[in-house]
Order: sequence, then structure tokens, then C-alpha cells
Amino acid sequence: EAGVVQSPRYKIIEKKQPVAFWCNPISGHNTLYWYRQNLGQGPELLIRYENEEAVDDSQLPKDRFSAERLKGVDSTLKIQPAELGDSAVYLCASSLGETSGQETQYFGPGTRLLVL
Amino acid sequence: GENVEQHPSTLSVQEGDSAVIKCTYSDSASNYFPWYKQELGKRPQLIIDIRSNVGEKKDQRIAVTLNKTAKHFSLHITETQPEDSAVYFCAAPGAAGNKLTFGGGTRVLVKP
Repeated sequence: EAGVVQSPRYKIIEKKQPVAFWCNPISGHNTLYWYRQNLGQGPELLIRYENEEAVDDSQLPKDRFSAERLKGVDSTLKIQPAELGDSAVYLCASSLGETSGQETQYFGPGTRLLVL
Repeated sequence: GENVEQHPSTLSVQEGDSAVIKCTYSDSASNYFPWYKQELGKRPQLIIDIRSNVGEKKDQRIAVTLNKTAKHFSLHITETQPEDSAVYFCAAPGAAGNKLTFGGGTRVLVKP
């Protein structure tokens, strides 16, 4: 069974440019998460989806970040415009979505973003 | 929200020795405590987890203990091997359920 798939794996852009990340969760997983991981730190949740619904986006900087999961399967995370401080690894994770609070989250390989 | 603190930030051990990493959490509603291992440039991978109805769980050389009264949990790695070298993260969900808050990570180096 394929794990969580993310693309691209690496992205280098200049500040003020837009960028988008794509995630395909494990088949059958209803819950999808986007995390940001700064160098030397733990992942921080940006947004969580249950099927198509964003149920927790309190940590998403809504002035420049947006996300969607239109059909309840794959998802995109966009930054427009990017700033220097957005340089980080953006991780996608998924879980079954059956047991609140006690589910294993499976992570994708991440997209490493560098903003110049 | 939940606050998770992890210590130490770095840990160097001799091959064959034990390693212990400790985490404290703030929200007494947390009931699930996973540990992830992240090798350089790779994805975090779950290595063990514990639920609040048990105090200890073991899987070969890895064990996790939980003290709900004191709100802390620990990862124990015995007979460490060079392939155990990685960054380890603890996490707790708080009252919000699937919203995991991660600790700051512990970089473990196992010296041969």
C-alpha cells in the first residue's frame, strides 16, 4: 500500500512569488493534516480536514496561506505571496478519521521550501 | 491549547547503552501519546504510542511509560544501535482530539 504522497519534494522560489504543494493521503484515510516544520523544531499543525471540511485552521496564516480538499481525497496548500520566513518543510499527514484523538498519523516525505 | 516540553534536546550515548527521553504535557484531557522518529531529510515515522488506560508499553528495545498524575511520559531505548541515531519527537493531542502538539525534539547520537 502506498503511503502519503507529496509533491514537489523541493521548491526554491523568490519572495513574493506564489507556491503550491500537493498531497495525496493514504487510500481510505478521511482525515488530512498539513504541518509546517521549521529547522530543528517539531511539526506545527496548520490545518486539519475531515473529508472535505476544514475543521481546524486556527494556525493557518490566512492572509497568505490557503488550502483546499475539494473531493475529500487529495489536497493542495498554497502560499501567495511567499515571504522569507516561510522557508520550512511542509508535511502532509493522514489518518483514518474514525477515532478522535487516538489515531496514528502517517506522514508524507514533505516539501522542502526555500524562499530567497 | 496543549503545551508539550521535551528533554533533553540532544543526547549522546555509547552503543549498547540506554537512552531516555522525557516529555511533559499540560492538558489533562490528553489521552494518546505517540513517539515519532525522524531521520535526516526523511518523514517522521511512528515508533510507539501509548493510550491513557495503560502505564507502560514495550516493543522489543523500545518502551514508553506514562504518568498521568504527573502529566509526563518517557521513551526508553535499550541496547542502542547506530541506526537509532535520529531526532525523536513526542506529541500529545490535548482536548482537541486529533490536533497533535509536538515537543521540540531530541537529537540522539549513538556512538559506535
